[in-house]
Amino acid sequence: DQQVKQNSPSLSVQEGRISILNCDYTNSMFDYFLWYKKYPAEGPTFLISISSIKDKNEDGRFTVFLNKSAKHLSLHIVPSQPGDSAVYFCAATLSGGGADGLTFGKGTHLIIQP
Amino acid sequence: DAGITQSPRHKVTETGTPVTLRCHQTENHRYMYWYRQDPGHGLRLIHYSYGVKDTDKGEVSDGYSVSRSKTEDFLLTLESATSSQTSVYFCATQGGSNQPQHFGDGTRLSIL
Repeated sequence: DQQVKQNSPSLSVQEGRISILNCDYTNSMFDYFLWYKKYPAEGPTFLISISSIKDKNEDGRFTVFLNKSAKHLSLHIVPSQPGDSAVYFCAATLSGGGADGLTFGKGTHLIIQP
Repeated sequence: DAGITQSPRHKVTETGTPVTLRCHQTENHRYMYWYRQDPGHGLRLIHYSYGVKDTDKGEVSDGYSVSRSKTEDFLLTLESATSSQTSVYFCATQGGSNQPQHFGDGTRLSIL
């Protein structure tokens, strides 16, 4: 059973607008969440993370929101740029990771239209 | 990323042959991981290591073994490769708790 779900396989957004990628999880023990970006033939690149003690974390154009009661997080990209076109993975782990691996969603392919 | 090198980057081999993939890191990170990525599955954890000679199984460990004799190297071995192990394999490292994992660029393995 999937513990981390990204229900939108793809998302198309116009350049300059906001991109919102969503992620749901089922395991209430997860306490550290991450977003990764992946280009073809490359490894995932870390974007931004959030601990369960926070509900928002911001880094430049990227903001992650966490709603623990709904077991939902989202990644906002503002403004969206052509270089943002990639596959985005949501991931979660227990106790900040370290002794555990990450549980990934299946990814959302973000396409930024000019 | 984070000084992670995976080798080989591409490999084609036959069913039943042994295969070893290597992950080398220069960051002196304690934790290392092997994942596989398949269409429709995202990335799934195969094995991980929390120190030299300390390893444990992940979600999809059947048919795989690992070894970590030095901090910088983490080897993934398929003792007798099967076609279901055709995949892209990613190595990752992590310096400590509440730090992100950083990934290598992957090994594309095809088993015919």
